[in-house]
Amino acid sequence: DSGVTQTPKHLITATGQRVTLRCSPRSGDLSVYWYQQSLDQGLQFLIQYYNGEERAKGNILERFSAQQFPDLHSELNLSSLELGDSALYFCASSVGGGLSGESPLHFGNGTRLTVT
Amino acid sequence: GQNIDQPTEMTATEGAIVQINCTYQTSGFNGLFWYQQHAGEAPTFLSYNVLDGLEEKGRFSSFLSRSKGYSYLLLKELQMKDSASYLCASRYNNNDMRFGAGTRLTVKP
Repeated sequence: DSGVTQTPKHLITATGQRVTLRCSPRSGDLSVYWYQQSLDQGLQFLIQYYNGEERAKGNILERFSAQQFPDLHSELNLSSLELGDSALYFCASSVGGGLSGESPLHFGNGTRLTVT
Repeated sequence: GQNIDQPTEMTATEGAIVQINCTYQTSGFNGLFWYQQHAGEAPTFLSYNVLDGLEEKGRFSSFLSRSKGYSYLLLKELQMKDSASYLCASRYNNNDMRFGAGTRLTVKP
């Protein structure tokens, strides 16, 4: 158990809809990262937050947004969903902001999103 | 960009040794990580390198050459349970962590 909690585990929704994925980092971790993993694809970095502020941005679509709250949990909002958004969405946390040091990411079990 | 390249698939025999290579963009590089991921599960951290050389952790070792933008993960005394995808990830000074597409390792009896 990594200590990172993601909810829900599975989500099935229709095209055009909006969903919210939730992540609680490990106790003591200040950074939260979001990744998308499509079938047989690598992990695509979406966005990172550190202590409530956006720290780095990857290939995140404009239809997607995220935030990190004062209690450090994070939410990823996906709107105007398309079939191609079906994927596993992983949240990961780490102690530091990632600028230096051995601060590995600890991953949650992911949310499997299916858009029909 | 921050492309990370690693072989797509590898096959090895139980008890053998296998080396999984990874190359990455060196500009802004700030650390190299290896993760193991079983199908449908979360990636789990295996190793970290930031200085040149070999880091050994039991049956797994990881090597880094910063000047060449090259790393490898060495798995010894392979077991069937080692069948998984192995992800190479590099951290950059702009603070994000980029993952390769992963190498799917199949261990055969």
